[in-house]
Amino acid sequence: GQQLNQSPQSMFIQEGEDVSMNCTSSSIFNTWLWYKQDPGEGPVLLIALYKAGELTSNGRLTAQFGITRKDSFLNISASIPSDVGIYFCAGQLPGTASKLTFGTGTRLQVTL
Amino acid sequence: DTGVSQDPRHKITKRGQNVTFRCDPISEHNRLYWYRQTLGQGPEFLTYFQNEAQLEKSRLLSDRFSAERPKGSFSTLEIQRTEQGDSAMYLCASSRLGQGSGEQYFGPGTRLTVT
Repeated sequence: GQQLNQSPQSMFIQEGEDVSMNCTSSSIFNTWLWYKQDPGEGPVLLIALYKAGELTSNGRLTAQFGITRKDSFLNISASIPSDVGIYFCAGQLPGTASKLTFGTGTRLQVTL
Repeated sequence: DTGVSQDPRHKITKRGQNVTFRCDPISEHNRLYWYRQTLGQGPEFLTYFQNEAQLEKSRLLSDRFSAERPKGSFSTLEIQRTEQGDSAMYLCASSRLGQGSGEQYFGPGTRLTVT
């Protein structure tokens, strides 16, 4: 099935650094969401975006809904060890009130 | 709000056996979704319910798969005659109708291993 393209695939950063990752698609999406998944667990919703250009924060996390509606960005400021995990973007296509299309994931590892 | 729960968390079965998983959504959520996730990939949509009606099924959902939500509350996903390719994490999610309906909340998943 279709999956969104996320970059980078993985990243190693030092505690305290800021992190940026993005998600792109060839299709327009109505809704963008960002999830974090720990090993053996289900994805946990971090941020939901509903309008093109929208910028939303949740603590140290900030996400943006791209103007073209074909991309989204997630920033994590002042990373801490518990930020380790896999971050997935997900989107809803127009006309679908149901399924989410997920990205390929960005694996984040934080070193002390 | 107790969140989405799934049972069992892990299931090991032999090829050819049938398995059934259960999902209990967040109580006030009308919509319930099933996804499958294989190692190194993002979740892939299988099917969804609005109340008790199954409104969409993915092509991934072969004839061996069936899902039900008989009273519009919990849901079950059954896989008949399991194959090794069915090994995956099966995730359930739920959402409300109306404002915020795009926000799907996931359970912890059921890890299926077919030997």
